[in-house]
Amino acid sequence: ILNVEQSPQSLHVQEGDSTNFTCSFPSSNFYALHWYRWETAKSPEALFVMTLNGDEKKKGRISATLNTKEGYSYLYIKGSQPEDSATYLCAFMMSSNYKLTFGKGTLLTVNP
Amino acid sequence: EAQVTQNPRYLITVTGKKLTVTCSQNMNHEYMSWYRQDPGLGLRQIYYSMNVEVTDKGDVPEGYKVSRKEKRNFPLILESPSPNQTSLYFCASGTQGSGYTFGSGTRLTVV
Repeated sequence: ILNVEQSPQSLHVQEGDSTNFTCSFPSSNFYALHWYRWETAKSPEALFVMTLNGDEKKKGRISATLNTKEGYSYLYIKGSQPEDSATYLCAFMMSSNYKLTFGKGTLLTVNP
Repeated sequence: EAQVTQNPRYLITVTGKKLTVTCSQNMNHEYMSWYRQDPGLGLRQIYYSMNVEVTDKGDVPEGYKVSRKEKRNFPLILESPSPNQTSLYFCASGTQGSGYTFGSGTRLTVV
């Protein structure tokens, strides 16, 4: 079973704070790294899919970077808002079989 | 509307009674997958399929079967459910370069 680790497990921030989380994954057999946002009582929604070392993606106040050589990705949220409260999942896709393995997620709570 | 449709949303059943959870997508996606979500364990992959008639085991396949006879459908079969299969199940679909689209989930309770 592949090891996809996310840290921290949970995070409480104040509205307006900027924050970031880490996803680490195997550096071999890499095909893609996904980020998802999962709100309570809903289904996960895709944020980014990154495939190239050095990739940077941005959607509004959320951005992500990718380092495939050392096996990590960062997700950044600038100026957190209460509606950003959710679990953020990363998932590693292998090149040999396209299997997508998820980390356990980082639960973000943004206090007004 | 592009979507992944799972049915049923909720199911309570008894140990040993065969059941099927259906999953259908209307986006012509090659990849489909089943996950279960349990507290503290995250999303764990049960089975996945890269295309019609191509299926492969995920990390927790024991006690489950799947089939992919048509591109749009990927049912999950529990031949003899047991209480340890009580969980929240998600079906998802995608293409090689895209994020997965998830269904709404099926909450299964086996008593």
